This record gives sequence, C-alpha cells and structure tokens, in this order.
Amino acid sequence: DAGITQSPRHKVTETGTPVTLRCHQTENHRYMYWYRQDPGHGLRLIHYSYGVKDTDKGEVSDGYSVSRSKTEDFLLTLESATSSQTSVYFCAISLRDVTYEQYFGPGTRLTVT
Amino acid sequence: KQEVTQIPAALSVPEGENLVLNCSFTDSAIYNLQWFRQDPGKGLTSLLLIQSSQREQTSGRLNASLDKSSGRSTLYIAASQPGDSATYLCAPGRPGTASKLTFGTGTRLQVTL
Repeated sequence: DAGITQSPRHKVTETGTPVTLRCHQTENHRYMYWYRQDPGHGLRLIHYSYGVKDTDKGEVSDGYSVSRSKTEDFLLTLESATSSQTSVYFCAISLRDVTYEQYFGPGTRLTVT
Repeated sequence: KQEVTQIPAALSVPEGENLVLNCSFTDSAIYNLQWFRQDPGKGLTSLLLIQSSQREQTSGRLNASLDKSSGRSTLYIAASQPGDSATYLCAPGRPGTASKLTFGTGTRLQVTL
C-alpha cells in the first residue's frame, strides 16, 4: 500500500463548471502524476509533478491545470468541464526516485453531463 | 511518439495453463517497463518493473522479460488460477524527468475452472 487516496471517488457535474480532484499521499514521495483512462485509449498522462510547485504537462493537458503547494497533495482542476472529460482519473506516485516505479490510487469516476 | 501494442486483446484459458502476454513498443529508448494488473472498476496494481539494463524480472508465478532493441516485453504467468483473471497492462517509461509511462490498452485475461 503506497498510501494514496483520491477524493472524491465519484462525481457528477454539469458542463461548464469547474471541478477539482484531489490526490493525497502520506509518505513524502517526490513524483506525482495524473492520468485519465478511457475505453480504447488506455491510460494517458495529463500532468505530473516533480516537487512542490514543480509541474509539467503530459500527453493530454489541454483543459486541465494542476497545483502542488504541499508535498502530500496534488490537485487536478478542470477549468470548465466538458463532456469529453468524462473519464476515470487516476493519481500515481513514484515510490522510488531511482527506479521511478509507479503506484496508483483507487481512481475518481467523473461524469460531465 | 511511443506507441504500445498488446496482443492478444483478450484471452480465455482453463485453470492451470501457463500463458504468455505480449507487449510491443515502437521507441526502444526506454528507461524502464512496468507491468500492471487492473481488476474491473479498480485501480492499477504494479506487478513487475524491469529496468532498461535488465533482461527479466520474476515475482512468484510471474516472469517478465524485456528485449529493448526489438521493442518487446512478455509477461509469463505460470500455472494460472481464476484469481489471475484481470486486465494486464504494460507501460514503458521514457528517459528523463519522472520517467513518464505510455500505456497499452491491455490484455483481458479470464481463467476458467
């Protein structure tokens, strides 16, 4: 257990509203990641962080922003939710900085109506 | 851009069989490769990580091999059990900051009694 929690676990929201998903880790790991999982696409990286206030874009970052003001929390914000952002969102951490082995949280199922 | 293909997409085998799951990737310049399993509606569980300098890794009944130059990895499951039923994902990691993973769409495995 890598001590990763995600909140909320399920959310339904309307098109155009802002949404923030939270990833929390208990063990002070440096690297954190946000992915989305969609049928037929597999998991795709949205953003990642390599330290407090250090973030960078992944493969599918348009329409998303992130923040990391504390080591333990990595927030993903959908600035104005669209139906194409309906997905399952997973947070991951890198457990060991040398091997970069990644461990995943339980996921957040987001539906945008 | 890294492309990851997993064959077969689905597989059904009787309990006790040994089986091989295949993963191919287009860019051989990888830092590592991880194998995961995902149960329906759940997060990802890390099974094995192979560093680019390694040829294989073993954990219990699982053995993963890596042929980086040909862009291939295989996951061998010995003496399969119904509890092995899940989707198996491979993900090569890029060199550089945070070793970002690119995922295949997975092999859905069913082990029958």
